[in-house]
Amino acid sequence: GQQVMQIPQYQHVQEGEDFTTYCNSSTTLSNIQWYKQRPGGHPVFLIQLVKSGEVKKQKRLTFQFGEAKKNSSLHITATQTTDVGTYFCAGYTGANSKLTFGKGITLSVRP
Amino acid sequence: ETGVTQTPRHLVMGMTNKKSLKCEQHLGHNAMYWYKQSAKKPLELMFVYNFKEQTENNSVPSRFSPECPNSSHLFLHLHTLQPEDSALYLCASSPPVGESEKLFFGSGTQLSVL
Repeated sequence: GQQVMQIPQYQHVQEGEDFTTYCNSSTTLSNIQWYKQRPGGHPVFLIQLVKSGEVKKQKRLTFQFGEAKKNSSLHITATQTTDVGTYFCAGYTGANSKLTFGKGITLSVRP
Repeated sequence: ETGVTQTPRHLVMGMTNKKSLKCEQHLGHNAMYWYKQSAKKPLELMFVYNFKEQTENNSVPSRFSPECPNSSHLFLHLHTLQPEDSALYLCASSPPVGESEKLFFGSGTQLSVL
């Protein structure tokens, strides 16, 4: 079955450092989504990428969809303590397919 | 506030109890979902309802029984659960399934089975 992988599961950074994480799929995706879950909270939709090579920015967050549509990256510039949480990627393989989530990466930021 | 409301927020139950989780969405969506979130595991899709019809049952044990009386309400009836069923149960809604929809999650019910 389709697998969406996020490795590692935890990362610790110093406030102000940049952070990049990757999401890899075993199959080609029709689109990919990113969600953020704050500690004690619920997943909140951040972005959806559809086109090969697509890049989208949200303030200090930059999301990219790979050319082959099998991987994606999330880059945070100059991390802040408000960036702490777990970031999930999730992908669809096509019409009427299920949204498959990765395990997520939990980011902690040292002030 | 996401427009998806779950009650209760916390639930502790014994293995012989029967309880129900409730989810209500005010977003005008037609698809509703139950997910299970356990530590160190991906979000596990349990059930999907599209226009009140169940379209997905992801090999969930029969001790979990969903009910979707209309597009705005979703229930998860629980009976004779096991301790390993302790987890955060998340409800989500979206536009109709099949449109590469994004999910709106509720705050979840943290369930502990003793």
